[in-house]
Amino acid sequence: EAGVAQSPRYKIIEKRQSVAFWCNPISGHATLYWYQQILGQGPKLLIQFQNNGVVDDSQLPKDRFSAERLKGVDSTLKIQPAKLEDSAVYLCASSLDPGTTEAFFGQGTRLTVV
Amino acid sequence: AQSVAQPEDQVNVAEGNPLTVKCTYSVSGNPYLFWYVQYPNRGLQFLLKYITGDNLVKGSYGFEAEFNKSQTSFHLKKPSALVSDSALYFCAVRDLTDSWGKLQFGAGTQVVVTP
Repeated sequence: EAGVAQSPRYKIIEKRQSVAFWCNPISGHATLYWYQQILGQGPKLLIQFQNNGVVDDSQLPKDRFSAERLKGVDSTLKIQPAKLEDSAVYLCASSLDPGTTEAFFGQGTRLTVV
Repeated sequence: AQSVAQPEDQVNVAEGNPLTVKCTYSVSGNPYLFWYVQYPNRGLQFLLKYITGDNLVKGSYGFEAEFNKSQTSFHLKKPSALVSDSALYFCAVRDLTDSWGKLQFGAGTQVVVTP
């Protein structure tokens, strides 16, 4: 079974530039999550999709971050404009459902904003 | 609101000795509890989960965890640690009263196993 795919693995941008991350979840997984993991901290949920609808974006900085999940499969997370404090690893995860099933994570995208 | 606490930033243990990583949680209703492990430059890997039933759950790589409702804890254990168990461990919780199952993580515990 193929895992969660993310790209790119690494990205370096200057502050005020824009960046986009892509995620392809495990086939058949209805729930998709984007997490931000700052060095030395646990993952923080940014946004959660159920199929192609957003069910939780309470911690997403909506003035600069946006995300979409087209046709309930792939997802993109965008930052525009980036700030220094956005430097982190962005993790995508998916699960069959938002209940008893565990989430499977991709390898993440390490973003450095300079 | 749900929360997870991992009181130890780092746990040091000698190879062959038992390993325990602590986790306590707070939820409005009944919890679903998970443990994940993260190796350097890798995503999180699922180890085990507690949903219902037996309080002692067994998972991958010889790990197990004990759910204690009265102490709101879900400590991860391994009877005999290996050097290869050195990694970052995360506890996570879902609140059953949250219909969309927000998965909240603790801050993580670094495990260092010395030969």
